[in-house]
Amino acid sequence: DIQMTQSPSSLSASVGDRVTITCRASQNISNYLNWYQQKPGKAPKFMISGASTSQSGVPSRFSGSGSGTDFTLTITSLQPEDLATYFCQQSYSSPYTFGQGTKLEIK
Amino acid sequence: QVQLQESGPGLVKPAETLSLTCTVSGVSISSYYWSWIRQPPGKGLEWIGYIYYSGSTKYNPSLKSRLNISVDTSKNQFSLKLTSVTAADTAVYYCARFRMLTPYDSWFDPWGQGTLVSVSS
Repeated sequence: DIQMTQSPSSLSASVGDRVTITCRASQNISNYLNWYQQKPGKAPKFMISGASTSQSGVPSRFSGSGSGTDFTLTITSLQPEDLATYFCQQSYSSPYTFGQGTKLEIK
Repeated sequence: QVQLQESGPGLVKPAETLSLTCTVSGVSISSYYWSWIRQPPGKGLEWIGYIYYSGSTKYNPSLKSRLNISVDTSKNQFSLKLTSVTAADTAVYYCARFRMLTPYDSWFDPWGQGTLVSVSS
């Protein structure tokens, strides 16, 4: 199985801050990496596919990048509604695996 | 608008079978792949498996020996059965549409709200 490791596990930032979350795959997955946002008590919401393709309705402050084994999710100007846990997921091979999540808190 | 809703018992005894159903609305189940994903309390997400409307399936090897996913196109539903459950199977179980553009380019969207299943005597 491909292991996905996210860092940090949690972080606290202020409104307006630039936030970066990292996801590392245990082997080369090209750009087959997705990002999800899970707000407290809610189901995950699909945000980004192919490492960098944002889905319709995702605010432009969210962006993804990377390829191979190293990927990042960046929020350019943190908003209060971005309070959530963010998960990466590889779609390169089955079983599809997720990172352990990064819990984002607002200071 | 595609919507999914999980249903089933919230409490299952150890060694028994966990059974859940996902009802899909807003789209015909006969057009896509469909998946189950679970999340133990306070932990990360684990992909369980997926099914195509034709009945073809793919399972997580870690659960394959205990798992059966089926589809009922007449009811626009798909179901999960997990046998011989233990406390380690306690989790929120989500159903989701599995979009597969290519064997590599795929994702889960949208998700149901999730249902907590506890395994306890």
